[in-house]
Amino acid sequence: ENVLTQSPAIMSASLGEKVTMSCRASSSVNYMYWYQQKSDASPKLWIYYTSNLAPGVPARFSGSGSGNSYSLTISSMEGEDAATYYCQQFTSSPSTFGAGTKLELK
Amino acid sequence: QVQLQQPGAELVKPGAPVKLSCKASGYTFTSYWMNWVKQRPGRGLEWIGRIDPSDSETHYNQKFKDKATLTVDKSSSTAYIQLSSLTSEDSAVYYCARGGGNYDYWGQGTTLTVSS
Repeated sequence: ENVLTQSPAIMSASLGEKVTMSCRASSSVNYMYWYQQKSDASPKLWIYYTSNLAPGVPARFSGSGSGNSYSLTISSMEGEDAATYYCQQFTSSPSTFGAGTKLELK
Repeated sequence: QVQLQQPGAELVKPGAPVKLSCKASGYTFTSYWMNWVKQRPGRGLEWIGRIDPSDSETHYNQKFKDKATLTVDKSSSTAYIQLSSLTSEDSAVYYCARGGGNYDYWGQGTTLTVSS
């Protein structure tokens, strides 16, 4: 199966700081998808087709990448952005998720 | 508005089976695949499989092929996952999630506890 490796596993950022997290696939994928999950809540679709923001997602978020390497960037950290972010691929079966990057507010 | 309603919790004894439900509303149930995802603390998310409610076509993650069975009841717009021969490894939160590609709506999840 296609293993997705997210880094870092845990990170912290101050308000207003730029944040970038990575997702690397063991095999090339066509697109990457990102979900945000907060404690005791279900995941929410955040970014689809690598760079498209889901409805309601603030414009400070962006996604990019191709092939084996993808990233999610927050241009200016806000408190509500503290959460765990998971990447997911659908290019090959089974669909797989990364282990997540936990983003904390410093 | 789209909703996927799941019971909050289930407690089941080891060795027994369980059938978890996911009741859909706010959209045409037969127009979207329904997926099931497992989440254990510290273990991230695992895709179990998906079902097409229009014809019950299923696709499973090979890892769960002998563990999970997906079904639907079109008359009540409800999807089900049956898990067999439960062990402690099956204790987790089980989510239903709509979509053939990205999962745009998720249920609140059912916390399954396997314990005697």
